[in-house]
Amino acid sequence: QQNVQQSPESLIVPEGARTSLNCTFSDSASQYFWWYRQHSGKAPKALMSIFSNGEKEEGRFTIHLNKASLHFSLHIRDSQPSDSALYLCAVITGGLSGKLTFGEGTQVTVIS
Amino acid sequence: AQTIHQWPVAEIKAVGSPLSLGCTIKGKSSPNLYWYWQATGGTLQQLFYSITVGQVESVVQLNLSASRPKDDQFILSTEKLLLSHSGFYLCAWSLPGDWGDEQYFGPGTRLTVL
Repeated sequence: QQNVQQSPESLIVPEGARTSLNCTFSDSASQYFWWYRQHSGKAPKALMSIFSNGEKEEGRFTIHLNKASLHFSLHIRDSQPSDSALYLCAVITGGLSGKLTFGEGTQVTVIS
Repeated sequence: AQTIHQWPVAEIKAVGSPLSLGCTIKGKSSPNLYWYWQATGGTLQQLFYSITVGQVESVVQLNLSASRPKDDQFILSTEKLLLSHSGFYLCAWSLPGDWGDEQYFGPGTRLTVL
């Protein structure tokens, strides 16, 4: 049974600062790693994903994956008030379904 | 462009009453379909997935059932609602055949059981 944990639970960052979010997973056979963002009362929307160890950058967002440590992270450079949202990490183990196991989320608030 | 529509937007139902939630996806043939549930302040949990018409797999047992009567339609239902069924129900789709691909979520249905 996959167990996905996120830290911290919540975060308040000043505008322009770097935001760092962490996610650990328990199943070493996990294959796909995603970050989703959910604004209050809305549906989650995918931010970015990574499938192999290392780092991937898209605009202000960078994702790191270390499968041996069962850990991946999301970093947001130059955080903006519009980045305020619930950030959900999700892991797909594979097999016959796209079963996403989500973490509980990190609530990020960017203050001006 | 693909669109995903869920109905109703919100429901207030009594304990013990039946429920039917729907989801349609337009503009994509044979998508993988999913139902998710998010309790207020809780974790988003996958409930069901379907890769083809007429076939639905259960992921979590919550006294709910799902069906896929058409390629573009996914239905979530129960004959007797429990208080614990309250929450946000989300339908999602992904491209067929690629399990690691992005899942696209619908706008959701907010269910309150009293």
